[in-house]
Amino acid sequence: DGGITQSPKYLFRKEGQNVTLSCEQNLNHDAMYWYRQDPGQGLRLIYYSQIVNDFQKGDIAEGYSVSREKKESFPLTVTSAQKNPTAFYLCASSAGETLHFGNGTRLTVT
Amino acid sequence: GENVEQHPSTLSVQEGDSAVIKCTYSDSASNYFPWYKQELGKGPQLIIDIRSNVGEKKDQRIAVTLNKTAKHFSLHITETQPEDSAVYFCAASTSSGSARQLTFGSGTQLTVLP
Repeated sequence: DGGITQSPKYLFRKEGQNVTLSCEQNLNHDAMYWYRQDPGQGLRLIYYSQIVNDFQKGDIAEGYSVSREKKESFPLTVTSAQKNPTAFYLCASSAGETLHFGNGTRLTVT
Repeated sequence: GENVEQHPSTLSVQEGDSAVIKCTYSDSASNYFPWYKQELGKGPQLIIDIRSNVGEKKDQRIAVTLNKTAKHFSLHITETQPEDSAVYFCAASTSSGSARQLTFGSGTQLTVLP
């Protein structure tokens, strides 16, 4: 089955540590996205990539970094500079206007 | 930039009743309005969308209406069932064939009571 795979489903880290969230897609989509979901705030765009080896900041990129070395993969690193990292993170891909989402990673930083 | 407001934040209905979720947008250039459904523990999934050249679109029990003059659009679910319980997000964009411009509303938690 084609789709987006995010791992792990739950992630726990201590404050001050960087953590990398995995996102893999087998839909052959050029564009990939990372969103952050907080209660009552909808989905906010962190980073997006329209093609391999290229990515752009979204609306809330501070404290995050990404790479796009392969078409299938778009990992997100939450750095220690992110002031409020505890959230639900969603990865998505698209071949046009429709977003295809993974099932998310819930990150808890204590 | 675009701002999308969504109401209500929570909605409870009896099974078989209708549910309506409303969104307003600020950018008159927006011309594409999708709705996503997020079930518990999963990512959102597109359920219906509408473009600005259309006033209404239906797909079985769900329909979306658009009022460009007032800059608001609504999701209507008829004959609700327990499996309709989920979080629903509206979004708006100045469509250019890319999902990059999508701005999401804050979401509505719909609960269908048996």
